[in-house]
Amino acid sequence: SQTIHQWPATLVQPVGSPLSLECTVEGTSNPNLYWYRQAAGRGLQLLFYSVGIGQISSEVPQNLSASRPQDRQFILSSKKLLLSDSGFYLCAQSRSSGYNEQFFGPGTRLTVL
Amino acid sequence: GQSLEQPSEVTAVEGAIVQINCTYQTSGFYGLSWYQQHDGGAPTFLSYNALDGLEETGRFSSFLSRSDSYGYLLLQELQMKDSASYFCASYTGGFKTIFGAGTRLFVKA
Repeated sequence: SQTIHQWPATLVQPVGSPLSLECTVEGTSNPNLYWYRQAAGRGLQLLFYSVGIGQISSEVPQNLSASRPQDRQFILSSKKLLLSDSGFYLCAQSRSSGYNEQFFGPGTRLTVL
Repeated sequence: GQSLEQPSEVTAVEGAIVQINCTYQTSGFYGLSWYQQHDGGAPTFLSYNALDGLEETGRFSSFLSRSDSYGYLLLQELQMKDSASYFCASYTGGFKTIFGAGTRLFVKA
């Protein structure tokens, strides 16, 4: 079965600092990968998704970017964090075919001060 | 626009039955999913309805009516551990799923 790893689990960063969150997937090949952000008490906002190496689709224009350097690695980055970037960041994967049941990683809780 | 509407909070008693409704308006619709999320945890998949009707999985059932753009999650024999947030989500094709804002379920003893 598939396993999703995310690190770090928690992160406190000052405004204007860079960000790099990593997600790796085990137990599956050629997955569709997703980055979501969840504000406290809110739903999930899709940020990026990727259907293959080097293929990134952005859903929300902002100061974040994503990269997929390997089949099972997905990275979320920022050059300069904003206060509004605080939230719970979740990486998810789904099968490359069929309906879109998603499996989520444990998440990274980011606080920007 | 794309939106899914669900109640923000529902409270029920242990052992009871509760229904969480979801109405959706999305461009492109392939099916409706439900996810459970406990505080501080990641969402976990509960069910998926691609066709009209009821799908049953143990104590949980999910229903879809495409003509009404409506679905619900039914939880029976409620337990304290069912206290969590529940999200409906629309699979719109193109590898994308749109999530509702979530319903917070409180189960009381």
